[in-house]
Amino acid sequence: AQKITQTQPGMFVQEKEAVTLDCTYDTSDPSYGLFWYKQPSSGEMIFLIYQGSYDQQNATEGRYSLNFQKARKSANLVISASQLGDSAMYFCAMRERARNTPLVFGKGTRLSVIA
Amino acid sequence: ETGVTQSPTHLIKTRGQQVTLRCSSQSGHNTVSWYQQALGQGPQFIFQYYREEENGRGNFPPRFSGLQFPNYSSELNVNALELDDSALYLCASTLGDSGPGELFFGEGSRLTVL
Repeated sequence: AQKITQTQPGMFVQEKEAVTLDCTYDTSDPSYGLFWYKQPSSGEMIFLIYQGSYDQQNATEGRYSLNFQKARKSANLVISASQLGDSAMYFCAMRERARNTPLVFGKGTRLSVIA
Repeated sequence: ETGVTQSPTHLIKTRGQQVTLRCSSQSGHNTVSWYQQALGQGPQFIFQYYREEENGRGNFPPRFSGLQFPNYSSELNVNALELDDSALYLCASTLGDSGPGELFFGEGSRLTVL
């Protein structure tokens, strides 16, 4: 069964600094996708970045990059140049095989950006 | 702005009652999923509908049921509410059959069961 582990319940980062949010996963399926979502206090889940298991390069989207280490089964999110608006919950998620199988989420990490 | 809207945003029910939550997604989003997010937890998959038929279900009892309509709207119904049903209920849709299949979420319906 697929599983997502986020070991950092909370993280603090100084404004303009970079921060890494950890995510490890477990699956026996060779084909899977990894996702990161941001959830502000409003509740809406905002898609940030995606990495496919067969992608050769680490995904990047603006200030977000995904440090994908397949052998270690880790998919850490790196946020560069943190902003106060980055303060939120961050969830790592995985989908096995077909694109219509459900996403399985980790428990999340609460990021607080300090001025 | 994901184009997914949910209603109501907040509601309070008592144990044993029934509730219907509604979701409207964008045209072309032929797959809709519902998730339950308890306080301090990640979202848990309830079920998924593809072209108006349920095609996946998580570990939730039959008193959780749903519908998807041709106009890309959907409903989540919960019967015989229990205190543990208090949570944020999130609706998510998937755009067509291309791309990585990321989910587009609404802002959720926060249900409190007293």
